Amino acid sequence: DGGITQSPKYLFRKEGQNVTLSCEQNLNHDAMYWYRQDPGQGLRLIYYSQIVNDFQKGDIAEGYSVSREKKESFPLTVTSAQKNPTAFYLCASSGRAVVFDEQYFGPGTRLTVT
Amino acid sequence: LAKTTQPISMDSYEGQEVNITCSHNNIATNDYITWYQQFPSQGPRFIIQGYKTKVTNEVASLFIPADRKSSTLSLPRVSLSDTAVYYCLVGLSGGSYIPTFGRGTSLIVHP
Repeated sequence: DGGITQSPKYLFRKEGQNVTLSCEQNLNHDAMYWYRQDPGQGLRLIYYSQIVNDFQKGDIAEGYSVSREKKESFPLTVTSAQKNPTAFYLCASSGRAVVFDEQYFGPGTRLTVT
Repeated sequence: LAKTTQPISMDSYEGQEVNITCSHNNIATNDYITWYQQFPSQGPRFIIQGYKTKVTNEVASLFIPADRKSSTLSLPRVSLSDTAVYYCLVGLSGGSYIPTFGRGTSLIVHP
């Protein structure tokens, strides 16, 4: 089945630790995105990548880092510099980073930092 | 990028038609209008997209007036399973597109 996967579904970490969230897609999409969602809020863009080995900051990139070494993979690292890391993280992909290309979302990772 | 405004929440009952309107007063000539649906603890999913007039698919209809300063997502005969958050996005057809999701409209369908 073609799709986009995120793992794990739930993640717990202690404050001060870096944590990496996985995102993989087998849709052969060029563009990939990371969003953060807090309770009752919309999605906020963290980083996006239009092509392998290239990525750009979104609205709330501080405290996060990404890599795009392979077309299929776009991992997100939540660093200890992120002040409020507890949130629901969503990864998405689209054929291209253009508006009429539908975004496909993964199931999300719920990160809790204590 | 065109800013969008939607109602924060709406209530309806099973079997009714629901219309959610999105305002985008400064929409540009090349902008498309896209709607997504999100269930709790899931990622959003694409519902429908349009540029002008009316678009219909198996899930919903999208009505866009001639001035394109607003759009209306129409859900026919809603059921409890249509309870979700609905997002309206507006963006350029050319160049790099950075999707912006606002808070969306939380639709609650009652029995």
